[in-house]
Amino acid sequence: DVKVTQSSRYLVKRTGEKVFLECVQDMDHENMFWYRQDPGLGLRLIYFSYDVKMKEKGDIPEGYSVSREKKERFSLILESASTNQTSMYLCASNSDSYNSPLHFGNGTRLTVT
Amino acid sequence: GESVGLHLPTLSVQEGDNSIINCAYSNSASDYFIWYKQESGKGPQFIIDIRSNMDKRQGQRVTVLLNKTVKHLSLQIAATQPGDSAVYFCAEKKGDSWGKLQFGAGTQVVVTP
Repeated sequence: DVKVTQSSRYLVKRTGEKVFLECVQDMDHENMFWYRQDPGLGLRLIYFSYDVKMKEKGDIPEGYSVSREKKERFSLILESASTNQTSMYLCASNSDSYNSPLHFGNGTRLTVT
Repeated sequence: GESVGLHLPTLSVQEGDNSIINCAYSNSASDYFIWYKQESGKGPQFIIDIRSNMDKRQGQRVTVLLNKTVKHLSLQIAATQPGDSAVYFCAEKKGDSWGKLQFGAGTQVVVTP
């Protein structure tokens, strides 16, 4: 089974702090993704990465950056956390074949106060 | 069907009955679709997928139907069980890039004894 592991289930940070969310997958997947999930809005893509050191902006990249130095690890960085970044953050991965569903971690619930 | 606004549509189903969850998609050129199940406090879990060159695909207790004419996708769950209580949402891949995977907001399924 594919395993996508997010390092924290819950985080509480203060406004202005730099926040790191970490994600590791164990299936040698080429693609990794960061989404945020808010009630009624579905999953919105922040960034995804299709290879080491390669990334593409998603629908809502503002206020976020990412890092992928190794194939199995994808980090989401909030440069200066704001209260409107309070959300559930979901990491996912898949292989680069055409019909390869995304596999998700269990999420990190971030609260910015 | 898919939700608009903050409140998810809810489907109440009696244990043992069949469930049908609907999804309308937006792009007639979308050619890959995925259904996910999300239980409270967990990440989305892959259920079943279908490509646009198919009308129907079956898994264990689940069937996905694709009607390209009206851009409609449905998930049928046979003999619904209490463990099926969750939010279900569909995703459509709108182009070649995995960055173009769009998720619906979901339907809450509540299984009653």
